[in-house]
Order: sequence, then structure tokens, then C-alpha cells
Amino acid sequence: QVQLQQWGAGLLKPSETLSLTCAVYGGSFSSYYWSWIRQPPGKGLEWIGEINHTGNTNYNPSLKSRVTISVDTSKNQFSLKVNSVTAADTAVYYCARAALVIIDYWGQGALVTVSS
Amino acid sequence: QVVLTQSPSASASLGASVRLTCTLSSGHNTYAIAWHQQQSEKGPRFLMKLDSDGTQTKGDGIPDRFSGSSSGTERYLTISSLQSEDEADYYCQTWGAGIVLFGGGTKLTVL
Repeated sequence: QVQLQQWGAGLLKPSETLSLTCAVYGGSFSSYYWSWIRQPPGKGLEWIGEINHTGNTNYNPSLKSRVTISVDTSKNQFSLKVNSVTAADTAVYYCARAALVIIDYWGQGALVTVSS
Repeated sequence: QVVLTQSPSASASLGASVRLTCTLSSGHNTYAIAWHQQQSEKGPRFLMKLDSDGTQTKGDGIPDRFSGSSSGTERYLTISSLQSEDEADYYCQTWGAGIVLFGGGTKLTVL
């Protein structure tokens, strides 16, 4: 059974850096891409980007300039950083597993609020 | 670039069946999609992968009441014997031009 467990700071001030980490338990870490997805309050899902075990990344062009996704294969973990956050970055952030083109496992989600 | 279109809302009665539709943009009829369910105040849950030929691969513990089918650029999710816990938002998802894409979601109300 695959489980994704995520954590990180929940309250940020504008211009700070958002930082989240996701640990993967079960399954093969090296056979998949690992994604970050967010959902602003009351809105739909927005894909942020993904990484594989070799560090190859793909990013949503709309966020690419502010986002860094990294991986630590020794711990089966991957991380998200979003710099220069604003109120528009307030959302529930999810980590997820991508099997070829399909997201097939989700983390529990973490609410990140940006407020002065 | 592929686009996924979903109706914003749907409703059906307890015990009945409902079919939700995800429409791929023109020319993308070979694309596979995934269906995800998001109950109120919860995270999304993977329901199934649905190929263009109608082949479905379900996620862990997804009941037989959930089924998928395909026709051209349309991908369907049918839920039979509706239960109160099926009231949720349903999102379709695919991948195109190097990015993961989601439809806008359909809010299903169980009457």
C-alpha cells in the first residue's frame, strides 16, 4: 500500500518562501514521477510540477519562475519550494504520485495561508 | 494543447445512477484520463484510469458501482446505486505538452 505523508509551515507572510516535504511509503520510488498540486479555497486543482528519482523536473509554466522541486532518494522524499509568496498562493497543497500520465495516489494535503 | 471540459454540476437521486462527462478538446480522442473524487473537506481520491478504448483500471478499494467508458473525445464516469457519500466533486485529469491537466470539476449532488 502506497502512502504519501506531507508536512511544512502553514502560515506565511507575503514575500516569504513556502516549503513543503512529502515522504513516500510503500511501492517503488524510482519508477514514478512525484507531483505537487494545489487547490485554492473553493476552487479547482492546479498542477505545480513534478520530479523523478534522477531529479528530472517538469513545471507548470505559470509558476515555473518561483518554484523549485527537489528529491532525496535516500529518504524517499521530495520537496516543494515556492518563493515570493502572495495571498494568491493561499491553498491546500497536495503531494501525489504520477504513474505515466495519471495521478494515482494523493497525500493528505496541507493548508498554506499567506497573510500579513 | 489538450483541454478537459466538465459540466459544473450534476444531481441524481439516492439509489439511482448518474453519468458524468469529461470532454477532451478536438483532436485528442486517443488520450487516457483519470477520474478523481473529492468529498467535502477531504483530499482527492483516485477512482480509475480510463483509456480511449474504454479500458478502466481502478484504484484501491473502489467499488464496482463506479465504472468508466469512452466514446470519441468523451470520457464517462457512471455511478450506480447512488449513496449519500457519493456526493462530492469529481475531477478528470490527463497529461499533455509536458504538464498535468485537470478539468474544472463537476459537483455531484445526491438528492
